[in-house]
Amino acid sequence: DSGVTQTPKHLITATGQRVTLRCSPRSGDLSVYWYQQSLDQGLQFLIQYYNGEERAKGNILERFSAQQFPDLHSELNLSSLELGDSALYFCASSVAPTYNEQFFGPGTRLTVL
Amino acid sequence: AQSVSQHNHHVILSEAASLELGCNYSYGGTVNLFWYVQYPGQHLQLLLKYFSGDPLVKGIKGFEAEFIKSKFSFNLRKPSVQWSDTAEYFCAVTQGYQKVTFGTGTKLQVIP
Repeated sequence: DSGVTQTPKHLITATGQRVTLRCSPRSGDLSVYWYQQSLDQGLQFLIQYYNGEERAKGNILERFSAQQFPDLHSELNLSSLELGDSALYFCASSVAPTYNEQFFGPGTRLTVL
Repeated sequence: AQSVSQHNHHVILSEAASLELGCNYSYGGTVNLFWYVQYPGQHLQLLLKYFSGDPLVKGIKGFEAEFIKSKFSFNLRKPSVQWSDTAEYFCAVTQGYQKVTFGTGTKLQVIP
């Protein structure tokens, strides 16, 4: 157990819908990262937040957005969902804003039908 | 843009065989290097990391990796694999404050 929690574990929805994925970092970690893992794209970095502010942006679509709240939990919002958005979404956290060891959550498996 | 290549997509080994997984990156400056492992049905966890110093890094579970700056490589090795090493292995690279780039992963299957 890494100490990072993600909810829900599984999510099944339809195309065009909007979903919110939630992540709680390890106690004391200020940085949160979001990743998308799919069979064809591998593990893709989406976005990073540090202490409530966006720190780095990766291959995140405009239909996706994220935020980190004052209690440091983070939410990833996916809208206008497409079949290709079906993937495993991981959250990770670390102590510092610069990249060092990240602790990954168990992931949320999103299925878009 | 930074890129990370893991040329072996799927490796099958018998128990006790030696393992070497390749990782090459494209950036020529100062980098931080990592290997993560993802066991079936589990989340990624760190195997080892290199920031500076001795280029031969030892990690958990008998894994080690060698940073060869001239070759832009950070290959993962283990002298004798076990069935429990069956997993997917990811190399990751970051440049200082920049975003991390992961390789596409190598699936290792160890046959008892």
